Amino acid sequence: DAGVTQSPTHLIKTRGQQVTLRCSPKSGHDTVSWYQQALGQGPQFIFQYYEEEERQRGNFPDRFSGHQFPNYSSELNVNALLLGDSALYLCASSLNPGDPYEQYFGPGTRLTVT
Amino acid sequence: GNSVTQMEGPVTLSEEAFLTINCTYTATGYPSLFWYVQYPGEGLQLLLKATKADDKGSNKGFEATYRKETTSFHLEKGSVQVSDSAVYFCALSGSNQGGKLIFGQGTELSVKP
Repeated sequence: DAGVTQSPTHLIKTRGQQVTLRCSPKSGHDTVSWYQQALGQGPQFIFQYYEEEERQRGNFPDRFSGHQFPNYSSELNVNALLLGDSALYLCASSLNPGDPYEQYFGPGTRLTVT
Repeated sequence: GNSVTQMEGPVTLSEEAFLTINCTYTATGYPSLFWYVQYPGEGLQLLLKATKADDKGSNKGFEATYRKETTSFHLEKGSVQVSDSAVYFCALSGSNQGGKLIFGQGTELSVKP
């Protein structure tokens, strides 16, 4: 049973570019949440997708957007990259949006903006 | 708003020493509380949880008790091992927050043989 998978593992982009990160949830899960973890900090909630809709959003600008596909996988898009967007981006999946107890995290995508 | 504060690291201990990592929180209502662990190069793993006051979460020798009167959820282990070296995150999920997790800044633990 595959857990949460994310791709790519690492990514280097230039300031001003756009990036797309991908996440496949654990088998049987239908809800995907995205978090940004800056170096030395705890993860910060970006947004959550359920039934292909954004259900909740954290305090992130509109440059951060996402999508969920019918197979429950998800993408995180960041436009007009800033140096401060350099971070580890974590995806977490769960069975439904209301259950905080069984969130499974992927290994993350390390984004470096130069 | 809701927030979590952890003791700063790094914490360096010898094998078999007693571990305490302090965590306090601010939240309205009755949040659920969690400890996650992040091993080098890996994602977060749920270590233990507590969903109501006075609950004790435990796993792999670690334990933490949900103390509403002191708004705390301190992590303890009686005898640490080298393999426990990792970063530990305290987190909460507020009532009616749809599973959104709010994390502390993390505490790095290094256990020496």
